Amino acid sequence: SQTIHQWPATLVQPVGSPLSLECTVEGTSNPNLYWYRQAAGRGLQLLFYSVGIGQISSEVPQNLSASRPQDRQFILSSKKLLLSDSGFYLCAWSVRAGDTQYFGPGTRLTVL
Amino acid sequence: AQKVTQAQTEISVVEKEDVTLDCVYETRDTTYYLFWYKQPPSGELVFLIRRNSFDEQNEISGRYSWNFQKSTSSFNFTITASQVVDSAVYFCALSGPMDSNYQLIWGAGTKLIIKP
Repeated sequence: SQTIHQWPATLVQPVGSPLSLECTVEGTSNPNLYWYRQAAGRGLQLLFYSVGIGQISSEVPQNLSASRPQDRQFILSSKKLLLSDSGFYLCAWSVRAGDTQYFGPGTRLTVL
Repeated sequence: AQKVTQAQTEISVVEKEDVTLDCVYETRDTTYYLFWYKQPPSGELVFLIRRNSFDEQNEISGRYSWNFQKSTSSFNFTITASQVVDSAVYFCALSGPMDSNYQLIWGAGTKLIIKP
């Protein structure tokens, strides 16, 4: 069966520091991968999605970037965090676009 | 453009009551998919159901049931005999080829509180 992992689970970072969040999927090949952000008490905002290695689509211009160095690995990065980057970051995968998305446990990021 | 509206921001009921969460959508696509997800306090989104636009049959899974009505562009979710463990935020979502290139368009979510 397929599983999706995210780490770290929680992170507290100072403003201006770099960020790297990792997501890996097991049990499937060539998945579509997604990064979402959820501000406190708010809905889901799609940040990036990827249909294959090295293929990244950005939905919202911002202080973040994503990379997919391996088929089942998706990384969310920032060179300098802003206070507004605080939130709950969720990684998800699907077999193809439009299919059900399955979510990881999320990373709660607080920028101070 | 596609849009999903969950007008109920928060619902509070007493355990064992039935509760319906509303979801109204807008799309120009003739083929599309509708989803419901549950987000418990732990934060992880849990997939509940996916329905395609050609299947208007209502779905029942235990205490959960879904009513899909194309005529009113609604995909409502009912929990029968609610339990405290049903407390969560519930999201409705929509995807289709034209308006969203199959990306999920999410509603704002409904926070459901079940009181013991």
